Formats: sequence, C-alpha cells, structure tokens
Amino acid sequence: DQQVKQNSPSLSVQEGRISILNCDYTNSMFDYFLWYKKYPAEGPTFLISISSIKDKNEDGRFTVFLNKSAKHLSLHIVPSQPGDSAVYFCAASAQFQGAQKLVFGQGTRLTINP
Amino acid sequence: DAGVIQSPRHEVTEMGQEVTLRCKPISGHNSLFWYRQTMMRGLELLIYFNNNVPIDDSGMPEDRFSAKMPNASFSTLKIQPSEPRDSAVYFCASSLGGTDSSYEQYFGPGTRLTVT
Repeated sequence: DQQVKQNSPSLSVQEGRISILNCDYTNSMFDYFLWYKKYPAEGPTFLISISSIKDKNEDGRFTVFLNKSAKHLSLHIVPSQPGDSAVYFCAASAQFQGAQKLVFGQGTRLTINP
Repeated sequence: DAGVIQSPRHEVTEMGQEVTLRCKPISGHNSLFWYRQTMMRGLELLIYFNNNVPIDDSGMPEDRFSAKMPNASFSTLKIQPSEPRDSAVYFCASSLGGTDSSYEQYFGPGTRLTVT
C-alpha cells in the first residue's frame, strides 16, 4: 500500500516553459509535504515544503500547491532550466516519537530540453 | 559543515559475506535515518534513531539487517549474511529532530551495494 504516489515516472518539458509534477497521498495524518531533487550518484536534496495548514508556498521559481480535500500536491517550476533535469521525489511527513518520519513517492524523472 | 558522510561509496561483495555501511550525521542533528533505494520499491525507510535510540525499525527487511548508533556522530548498518537481493543504494539522512523545522532531512551521497 503506497501512501504517497507519483503516477508519472517521467516528464519532458521545453526550456523556459512550466514544469508541473504531481503527487497524491492517502493518509490524512501527514502534516508536512516536501519535494526533494536528486541528481545521479548523489543523495536527495531538499527543495521546498508546505505545511498541511497552507495551500501554497513559493520560493523563487518553485511553487508547491496543496489540495487537502483531493489529497493532492503539485510542484510548479517556472521557467524551467536545463539544470532542473533530475529526479523529483514527493515526500509526506508525520510526527512519530520525537522525529518526523518521511514517506516518499516513487519519483518523477524531469528532463528539460533546450 | 561537511554534510552527512557515508562510507564506503561503493561496495561489491559476494553472497554470504558480512557488509557494514557507515554514516556520520551532521553535527547537532538528533535524528538519523537509514533508507534503501531500489528500482522496484523506490526509497524506503529502514530504521531511524532519535537521540541515539532506535525508534522504529519496522522497515528493516529481516533479521539479517541490524543497525546501531553508539554515539551522536556515528551509525552503522550491517547485513549478515548478504544476499544478491540486498543490492541497492543505501542512504543515511539526519535532521534536527524535535523542533518545528525538524521535518527537513539532509541526505548523504549513498552507498551503492552490489552483492554477487
């Protein structure tokens, strides 16, 4: 039972256009949602997050939207740049005995074409 | 800060051998996590520690896997005996723990394990 799902394994976008990555979750107890970016041979790096009490968080070219009723979040990157080509993981967080436990989606490979 | 440090970066071993993966978390972080990434299962949490104490090891696949955190700056993940299906990339991550911003985890570069 996958609690966090990224249904698109890959996405290809033209440079300068908007990239939209999607994520669905099932557990309403999650209190934070995060996006991580991963380059080959490196560990995932934190990109942006959103609290469950908000519906939007923006940081430069990156915006995350949360729709709690639909249990859906999305990451918008605009404008997309070649350096954005990477695997993006959606993660959901729940507090458990003093630490935030993360559940990750399967990842979406984003390719930005020049 | 050097970030989370993992060693070795690559490990190739034969089935039946013992494998030990090492992690040094970011100084001052109170929570440490071990993950495994495979094509089939994605990134899955194996075990995590809070203040050096194991909190949740429900993700450890079987008794062949064990993890320790003898002090705040060092943790090991051991597989004994190793099997070909253990081949994966193993990540260690750490976070502040216990604060409002504790959800952000910092990952190491990973150890790519190949068991032949």
